[in-house]
Amino acid sequence: DAKTTQPPSMDCAEGRAANLPCNHSTISGNEYVYWYRQIHSQGPQYIIHGLKNNETNEMASLIITEDRKSSTLILPHATLRDTAVYYCIAVTYSGAGSYQLTFGKGTKLSVIP
Amino acid sequence: KAGVTQTPRYLIKTRGQQVTLSCSPISGHRSVSWYQQTPGQGLQFLFEYFSETQRNKGNFPGRFSGRQFSNSRSEMNVSTLELGDSALYLCASSFTGESYDEQYFGPGTRLTVT
Repeated sequence: DAKTTQPPSMDCAEGRAANLPCNHSTISGNEYVYWYRQIHSQGPQYIIHGLKNNETNEMASLIITEDRKSSTLILPHATLRDTAVYYCIAVTYSGAGSYQLTFGKGTKLSVIP
Repeated sequence: KAGVTQTPRYLIKTRGQQVTLSCSPISGHRSVSWYQQTPGQGLQFLFEYFSETQRNKGNFPGRFSGRQFSNSRSEMNVSTLELGDSALYLCASSFTGESYDEQYFGPGTRLTVT
């Protein structure tokens, strides 16, 4: 089963790119990587997910290494509203709608003015 | 569309009691999942229901149970409460039922066990 590891905290200057790493060194072929963020006192919010190709949406980009052992979530122009805890989750599928979730402990991102 | 709603938002119970939490998913969503969040353990997956059946389950004792109704609304029950059950309980819904999909989370129910 995948194990996900994230740094506990990071700082980023407002307007700069925020690069949040996640290590999932034991990931296997059928495991996706999902990212969510949680702003204080709210439920987590979906950001992006991927399997092996890099992905981009209106919120962020996800870069997955070729060996799939790590990934980086990129917020291209961080704002103060991006201050939150970011969670990396490995989703292991085992067929017929069955899956297992492995959560990282989360990275608290502080965007500094 | 209204988001995921959870009731109650806050709850205080005594050790040994039982508690039932309620979740109403986004209209049209058929999958409902429950999570426990604590400062020590972080986010942990409890279980997922789809079409009134528990389809996926995390590693929690049998004191934690749930059910889903025909309108996709879900309830979670914890029996014989322990102090360690104090946590934020999050409900999330998703549209597709084929597999894990983008989850929409509610604001959570804060349970305090004394």
